[in-house]
Amino acid sequence: NAGVTQTPKFQVLKTGQSMTLQCAQDMNHEYMSWYRQDPGMGLRLIHYSVGAGITDQGEVPNGYNVSRSTTEDFPLRLLSAAPSQTSVYFCASSYSGLAFFGQGTRLTVV
Amino acid sequence: GNSVTQMEGPVTLSEEAFLTINCTYTATGYPSLFWYVQYPGEGLQLLLKATKADDKGSNKGFEATYRKETTSFHLEKGSVQVSDSAVYFCALSDRGSTLGRLYFGRGTQLTVWP
Repeated sequence: NAGVTQTPKFQVLKTGQSMTLQCAQDMNHEYMSWYRQDPGMGLRLIHYSVGAGITDQGEVPNGYNVSRSTTEDFPLRLLSAAPSQTSVYFCASSYSGLAFFGQGTRLTVV
Repeated sequence: GNSVTQMEGPVTLSEEAFLTINCTYTATGYPSLFWYVQYPGEGLQLLLKATKADDKGSNKGFEATYRKETTSFHLEKGSVQVSDSAVYFCALSDRGSTLGRLYFGRGTQLTVWP
């Protein structure tokens, strides 16, 4: 049982580039979410989804886009990377508050 | 609305010392409460949980009791080890929802020295 698989683990982007962070889960959870983790800020919710075809914004959605075409996959797109998006990104899949996290993506925007 | 406040770190302890990390919450309904732990270089993982008032969650020597009267869920361990060094997050979820949205505190960094 793989749980939540998140790729890539590390990424360096130049300002203005776009990229997609991949997230897949095999637990058939309806709820999936993306967080960013910055020093002293804890986890901040970027976007979340309550099921295929349904997404909504979290606390810090600007500069990010998501889609949910299947229950399993929930990719996060950076449209035009900025240095302020340098962070560690976590995808999570959950049910009734019990969350399973991916290993994280450490993104650096130069 | 829902929110979680936990004590700011970092917390530095010697091995075998007693640990308390304070957590209080604000919730509109009757939440479930959680402690998650993040070891260096990893994602968060569930440490323990409690789903109703007066429940005690426990795991790996850690305990936390759901106190509705004080809206608290403090994490305790009687004797910490070097391997407990990690970031600890308190979180709540609206128990009336099965969807799973979590509200996290900011995290408390714990370092245990031998």
